Amino acid sequence: DAKTTQPPSMDCAEGRAANLPCNHSTISGNEYVYWYRQIHSQGPQYIIHGLKNNETNEMASLIITEDRKSSTLILPHATLRDTAVYYCIVRVPPEYGNKLVFGAGTILRVKS
Amino acid sequence: GAVVSQHPSRVICKSGTSVKIECRSLDFQATTMFWYRQFPKKSLMLMATSNEGSKATYEQGVEKDKFLINHASLTLSTLTVTSAHPEDSSFYICSVLAGASDTQYFGPGTRLTVL
Repeated sequence: DAKTTQPPSMDCAEGRAANLPCNHSTISGNEYVYWYRQIHSQGPQYIIHGLKNNETNEMASLIITEDRKSSTLILPHATLRDTAVYYCIVRVPPEYGNKLVFGAGTILRVKS
Repeated sequence: GAVVSQHPSRVICKSGTSVKIECRSLDFQATTMFWYRQFPKKSLMLMATSNEGSKATYEQGVEKDKFLINHASLTLSTLTVTSAHPEDSSFYICSVLAGASDTQYFGPGTRLTVL
């Protein structure tokens, strides 16, 4: 399974953009990058995913480098409710079960 | 995304008893569901993949006779913790594989406390 490396924690001011980095240098060509977040004592919430191209949805943007060895999740205007653990995951390919292997993630603290 | 529910949200039981946790896909017919376990201040760990109409596939180190999984319909998977012990106390979370991109959507979790 491709592993990811994320900083253990980050702080962000309310209203500013939160940029969460992730390294996945061993990613294979057909493996997707997924981002989830988990607020305390809740199930993980899907945020966004991508393969090669940058992606944007109503929650966030995902920037993937051209060599696909790293990516950045961008929350454009962080709010206090965005405080959570953010997980960057390289999904196991469908032929191996579409599994998600969770790492330690990044604790994002949004402060007023 | 898919909407997933779990029942109960929290349960307390005595050591030696069995506990059943339900995972329901409310708006999507899920052929595949997953069960995870999360200990305090730790990350999620995949326990097993639940496939509708067939036997579950367990991850290495997970006892299939202790954690019984049944996926009898496209909207319901159950996890039964048999002969529960205090070390089984944990947060149990399920997910469903849904959509054209096979994205996993998670339930709210079930907090199990074994006394």
